[in-house]
Amino acid sequence: KAGVTQTPRYLIKTRGQQVTLSCSPISGHRSVSWYQQTPGQGLQFLFEYFSETQRNKGNFPGRFSGRQFSNSRSEMNVSTLELGDSALYLCASSPEGVTGAMDQPQHFGDGTRLSIL
Amino acid sequence: KQEVTQIPAALSVPEGENLVLNCSFTDSAIYNLQWFRQDPGKGLTSLLLIQSSQREQTSGRLNASLDKSSGRSTLYIAASQPGDSATYLCAVSYYGGSQGNLIFGKGTKLSVKP
Repeated sequence: KAGVTQTPRYLIKTRGQQVTLSCSPISGHRSVSWYQQTPGQGLQFLFEYFSETQRNKGNFPGRFSGRQFSNSRSEMNVSTLELGDSALYLCASSPEGVTGAMDQPQHFGDGTRLSIL
Repeated sequence: KQEVTQIPAALSVPEGENLVLNCSFTDSAIYNLQWFRQDPGKGLTSLLLIQSSQREQTSGRLNASLDKSSGRSTLYIAASQPGDSATYLCAVSYYGGSQGNLIFGKGTKLSVKP
């Protein structure tokens, strides 16, 4: 079974530009979550999508947005890039548990390394 | 604000040693706790997941325990090997959060010397 696939692996942008990152979850997984990882703040939750709907959102500005398609693939978009947006962006997927609750581990991709110049 | 703390931030041990990594959390009303491993430049690999109703989980040389009342979890690694060198992260999810809303500690960077 293929794992979580994130593209591209590396990206270099300049301030003010926008960027779109892609995540393909494990086949059959319906929940996709996005996280930002930086040396200073560690891993921080961005948002989670389930069945094309945003189910939960972290504490990030509106420049960070996402969506999920009917095949569960997800994209996140960052507009008006700032230097502080340089980070590793990780996507995770998980199946819906038997109870519909949080009883399944999350599976992470290798991330997209975004560098802002 | 829910916080997860991992101590120590870094640990270096000789090969073959048994070791314990610590994780503490401020709010005991967790749904579950996961331990992950992250290799340099890579994503996270889930090692063990402990539901709030469980006390421990085991996988091979790894054993994770959970004490909700004290807000602590430990990851025990037996007979450490150089291949165990990585950063180990613990994360908790809370009632009222969604499956995606994991709160992570900043990790313990483990180095196992041959």
